[in-house]
Amino acid sequence: AQSVTQLGSHVSVSEGALVLLRCNYSSSVPPYLFWYVQYPNQGLQLLLKYTSAATLVKGINGFEAEFKKSETSFHLTKPSAHMSDAAEYFCAVSGGGNKLVFGAGTILRVKS
Amino acid sequence: EAQVTQNPRYLITVTGKKLTVTCSQNMNHEYMSWYRQDPGLGLRQIYYSMNVEVTDKGDVPEGYKVSRKEKRNFPLILESPSPNQTSLYFCASSFNRGRNTEAFFGQGTRLTVV
Repeated sequence: AQSVTQLGSHVSVSEGALVLLRCNYSSSVPPYLFWYVQYPNQGLQLLLKYTSAATLVKGINGFEAEFKKSETSFHLTKPSAHMSDAAEYFCAVSGGGNKLVFGAGTILRVKS
Repeated sequence: EAQVTQNPRYLITVTGKKLTVTCSQNMNHEYMSWYRQDPGLGLRQIYYSMNVEVTDKGDVPEGYKVSRKEKRNFPLILESPSPNQTSLYFCASSFNRGRNTEAFFGQGTRLTVV
């Protein structure tokens, strides 16, 4: 079975500061991992995905994530936060077939 | 434009009144699914379909029905809605290529059952 834990339901950073959103996973098989972003009143949009090709994955809008098997983690980072990054972020692990198992989400607030 | 379209975006209904939320995709995807999003719980899968006439239960199927008569459409049916089905619902689609496949999501349907 697969599961995801996102540490911190709310994260607040200042504009220009480092963004770090934490995700730990559990998987009985080699994991495929995803980060999605949800802007207000919109659907989910894929930021990036890990599919075992490289442990450091670069995504859209300057985000990246590093897969660490020893820590069962897939944390999302961005060097410098922008106001437009304010959104809810979801980490997900692939379950059986095409099913996605999501974490509870982290709401990112960016202060000016 | 490649997209997943859900209707309606917002719906307020009364307990017990049957309703249908439609979902349509124009990407020729085989796999479609419905999720509900609740605060603190993330998204949970309700039902999924691997192709036409092939559907199966997800993690929280109670109180819902689906059908897949055409490849592009995957409606979600609530025969007798109850207040605990008040939630934000998302339809998603993807190519049926296994665990590393990206899912595309609709804009969501916010349902309130009073």
